[in-house]
Amino acid sequence: DAGVIQSPRHEVTEMGQEVTLRCKPISGHDYLFWYRQTMMQGLELLVYFNNKAVMDDSGMPKDRFSAKMPNASFSTLKIQPSEPRDSAVYFCASSFQASNQPQHFGDGTRLSIL
Amino acid sequence: AQSVTQPDIHITVSEGASLELRCNYSYGATPYLFWYVQSPGQGLQLLLKYFSGDTLVQGIKGFEAEFKRSQSSFNLRKPSVHWSDAAEYFCAAAPNTGNQFYFGTGTSLTVIP
Repeated sequence: DAGVIQSPRHEVTEMGQEVTLRCKPISGHDYLFWYRQTMMQGLELLVYFNNKAVMDDSGMPKDRFSAKMPNASFSTLKIQPSEPRDSAVYFCASSFQASNQPQHFGDGTRLSIL
Repeated sequence: AQSVTQPDIHITVSEGASLELRCNYSYGATPYLFWYVQSPGQGLQLLLKYFSGDTLVQGIKGFEAEFKRSQSSFNLRKPSVHWSDAAEYFCAAAPNTGNQFYFGTGTSLTVIP
């Protein structure tokens, strides 16, 4: 079975540019999560969806980050404008039936903002 | 406040030795508990989970974990580690009636020959 698929795997861009990260959850999973991982902060939950609706985005900086889930099989996390402090590994995860069920992670997008 | 604590930032063990990684949780009621492993450059992979019932849980790759309510702990164990077990290990907890998932800060495991 296909797991969670993220693209791109690596992204290097200059400060001020728009960055779009993409995620395809496991088919049938109705919860989708976006995390950011850094050495300093560890794993941080940015936002999560249930049936395409945002359930909690309290961890996401609203001024520059936006997350969407236009359909059950696709989600995006957009950063505009990007800043060097956004450099991190961004993970997407999905789960089935409830947010307290095991989450399945993608391999992440390593983002570097110069 | 609800939280998950992994007291050990880094652990080094010799190949073939036993391993125990510690995890403590702070919840009003027994949460659902999980252990994940993250190899370099990869996402987190679920090792095992505890929802209820038998307090000793078996997982993949020869790992097991024991839930101890009295100690609010869910420690991960392996009787004999392999060099391929070198990775970052995360404990996580989620309320059994809720919608939040809490990860610990992780324990980095180094395995020496």
